Amino acid sequence: TQLLEQSPQFLSIQEGENLTVYCNSSSVFSSLQWYRQEPGEGPVLLVTVVTGGEVKKLKRLTFQFGDARKDSSLHITAAQTGDTGLYLCAGGGSNYKLTFGKGTLLTVNP
Amino acid sequence: DAMVIQNPRYQVTQFGKPVTLSCSQTLNHNVMYWYQQKSSQAPKLLFHYYDKDFNNEADTPDNFQSRRPNTSFCFLDIRSPGLGDAAMYLCATSRDLRGEYFGPGTRLTVT
Repeated sequence: TQLLEQSPQFLSIQEGENLTVYCNSSSVFSSLQWYRQEPGEGPVLLVTVVTGGEVKKLKRLTFQFGDARKDSSLHITAAQTGDTGLYLCAGGGSNYKLTFGKGTLLTVNP
Repeated sequence: DAMVIQNPRYQVTQFGKPVTLSCSQTLNHNVMYWYQQKSSQAPKLLFHYYDKDFNNEADTPDNFQSRRPNTSFCFLDIRSPGLGDAAMYLCATSRDLRGEYFGPGTRLTVT
């Protein structure tokens, strides 16, 4: 069974601060996705990374896939209140199923 | 522009009264998923279809059934909802496991 450990589980910061969320596993994944979910809505796909060492940037968000494809990080620069939400990482394997981390509930305070 | 549509967005049912949730997609993706999500937790996969092939998770209760009559539509049937089945139910689609596209979810309340 593949497991993804996501940390931290809760994060409360002030607007303008930087933060990093981590996703770690002992298993190799063929792809790694990050989602953001707002209350009462479905998760929205932010990014998919597939190559070991890959770095992708989406405005103030930077996503990194570890060289061995076992871990990933999401870094947010100068957080805004609109970044508040549940961030989920999910690893893709060969069986068309995703393995989700437990999520990071981010609150950005004004 | 809607890609994955779920109806209804909110559903209230009585304890033991069967309920059906629906999902449709305009992406023509061959894989469709049903997840259950409880407050601020990660989605829990109930089952998925690869085309017409149905794949049930080992820990999905028998109370939950699904139908996929064609590529675009998928249904979740809860035969006898219990209080513990109150949750958000999410439908998602995928083509090549490079990302799943989720619907907005159906919030199920059991009274």
